Amino acid sequence: RKEVEQDPGPFNVPEGATVAFNCTYSNSASQSFFWYRQDCRKEPKLLMSVYSSGNEDGRFTAQLNRASQYISLLIRDSKLSDSATYLCVVNTIGGTSYGKLTFGQGTILTVHP
Amino acid sequence: EAQVTQNPRYLITVTGKKLTVTCSQNMNHEYMSWYRQDPGLGLRQIYYSMNVEVTDKGDVPEGYKVSRKEKRNFPLILESPSPNQTSLYFCASSLYPPSLALDGKRNTIYFGEGSWLTVV
Repeated sequence: RKEVEQDPGPFNVPEGATVAFNCTYSNSASQSFFWYRQDCRKEPKLLMSVYSSGNEDGRFTAQLNRASQYISLLIRDSKLSDSATYLCVVNTIGGTSYGKLTFGQGTILTVHP
Repeated sequence: EAQVTQNPRYLITVTGKKLTVTCSQNMNHEYMSWYRQDPGLGLRQIYYSMNVEVTDKGDVPEGYKVSRKEKRNFPLILESPSPNQTSLYFCASSLYPPSLALDGKRNTIYFGEGSWLTVV
């Protein structure tokens, strides 16, 4: 089983739609969580951190369920510019004192007119 | 401007010909790492470095070497490249190691633009 699993998609949605991505992680020692965005095989860029109480940044809402080891990202009112690959990233302490970031394979989103 | 710079961005090379991909950051970050990205596998860590002269293996270190002689530079060395090392490579840096990026504390990871490497 992969340490971090995402539905690879692709998700094809019209402008204005609401879309949700899910991510599960296998290591219960994981401590912090992030969503990154990657455009056309360019470098990943931080979209948002995911906090225990859930958090929102404009049209984006991230939630964390530690009991189920599950992270989600909700995008409301999708824009064409939201088309990208969304990477779920989990930070796990253990094995090395420096921690380790594990990346999901990414979920592809295409927003069409 | 804060940035991580990798070179070369694109390279086609032949099996067995040693090559080095350079990485430099201008943010005085302590933690640097190298990843490779392959279809369906996500980003996998090759090596990381906590500070000067401190390096350690990541998840897929076989066939690679690194060095950290200066804080700003973290080159990736392929002593004898093979076709299975054809991939997209990213260098990354952050102020702290992941262990300090606890919930609520931002520790932004800066990635280089990536290096497309093809070994034939």
